[in-house]
Amino acid sequence: NAGVMQNPRHLVRRRGQEARLRCSPMKGHSHVYWYRQLPEEGLKFMVYLQKENIIDESGMPKERFSAEFPKEGPSILRIQQVVRGDSAAYFCASSPPDPTEAFFGQGTRLTVV
Amino acid sequence: AQSVSQHNHHVILSEAASLELGCNYSYGGTVNLFWYVQYPGQHLQLLLKYFSGDPLVKGIKGFEAEFIKSKFSFNLRKPSVQWSDTAEYFCAVKGNQAGTALIFGKGTTLSVSS
Repeated sequence: NAGVMQNPRHLVRRRGQEARLRCSPMKGHSHVYWYRQLPEEGLKFMVYLQKENIIDESGMPKERFSAEFPKEGPSILRIQQVVRGDSAAYFCASSPPDPTEAFFGQGTRLTVV
Repeated sequence: AQSVSQHNHHVILSEAASLELGCNYSYGGTVNLFWYVQYPGQHLQLLLKYFSGDPLVKGIKGFEAEFIKSKFSFNLRKPSVQWSDTAEYFCAVKGNQAGTALIFGKGTTLSVSS
């Protein structure tokens, strides 16, 4: 059973471009979380998704950021018109529906130049 | 909404010293509590978790944590740290109700010198 897979591991974008980060959850997991990690700030919750449904997006910036978790395929975190401040490590975690621990992917390190 | 507070930002210890990392949470209902560890350059891994039952939970690598409901705390402990415990430690809370997200504290960096 493969773990949570995130790709790409590293992504470089110029200011104004779009960034697409992918997360394939563990087999049988229907819930996905996205977090942003910056030095000195820890893991900041962004969005909590179920297949075809956003459960909690209270941590998502109001503009330029969106997330989806379609019925088929990976969850996508999309950042439009990236700015330097978007540079960070973005982690995805997945879990089954029942209360249990979340399993983390290796993260995508986004660098905006 | 739930929140998590970790008191220590950076802890420096010598090998064999005892460790206690503080974690307090805020949530108005039943919670599930977690400690995760992130070794340098790696992803987060679960150390231990509390859902119900015995408030003293034991995890991997000799770590344990105690849930004190009256204090809204879930402190992490290890009697004798090793150099290999150098990592960042995150406390997390998830409300027991469906639809509540998993929320993390800001983390504590532990540096162990040999």
